[in-house]
Amino acid sequence: GQQLNQSPQSMFIQEGEDVSMNCTSSSIFNTWLWYKQDPGEGPVLLIALYKAGELTSNGRLTAQFGITRKDSFLNISASIPSDVGIYFCAGRAAGANSKLTFGKGITLSVRP
Amino acid sequence: SAVISQKPSRDICQRGTSLTIQCQVDSQVTMMFWYRQQPGQSLTLIATANQGSEATYESGFVIDKFPISRPNLTFSTLTVSNMSPEDSSIYLCSVVEGGTDTQYFGPGTRLTVL
Repeated sequence: GQQLNQSPQSMFIQEGEDVSMNCTSSSIFNTWLWYKQDPGEGPVLLIALYKAGELTSNGRLTAQFGITRKDSFLNISASIPSDVGIYFCAGRAAGANSKLTFGKGITLSVRP
Repeated sequence: SAVISQKPSRDICQRGTSLTIQCQVDSQVTMMFWYRQQPGQSLTLIATANQGSEATYESGFVIDKFPISRPNLTFSTLTVSNMSPEDSSIYLCSVVEGGTDTQYFGPGTRLTVL
């Protein structure tokens, strides 16, 4: 079945640094979604991407839909302590009944 | 974006009992889903809640264990039946906004089974 690869499992950065997270797939997706989850909460949608090559920003966050449609990345610039959390990528293939496939998530820690 | 609420937000239950989780959306949505997130894990789809018909379950999940209702386009329930400690997880309701491919999640129900 489809799988999304997110690595590393954890990232540690200094406050103020930029960080980039990558997500790769063994198959093509039509939609890429990036979520952030805080402890004990549901995932919150950060950015949605619908077209190959699309580059979308949301404040300090920027995400791109890879040209091959098999990858996406999320950049966080000038990190702050509240960026701490788990970042999940998710993709949806073509088809009316296609379900979201999730990566395993990356836990981001920000040192003040 | 759709606003999703879930009740209860958390519960501690005894093994062998059942818990029903409610999901309410502030707008009519076509697609509603139930996910499970075991501790330290990613999200796993349990089933698609279909309005007016039986839910569609993913491999490894069965109706007897996770009965789902969806009486209208804004509400659904998931019951976790005959619970065991292995059912301790966060259970999440999720919807796809009409006309888009964008999927949103509720705040989750944190279930602990003793």
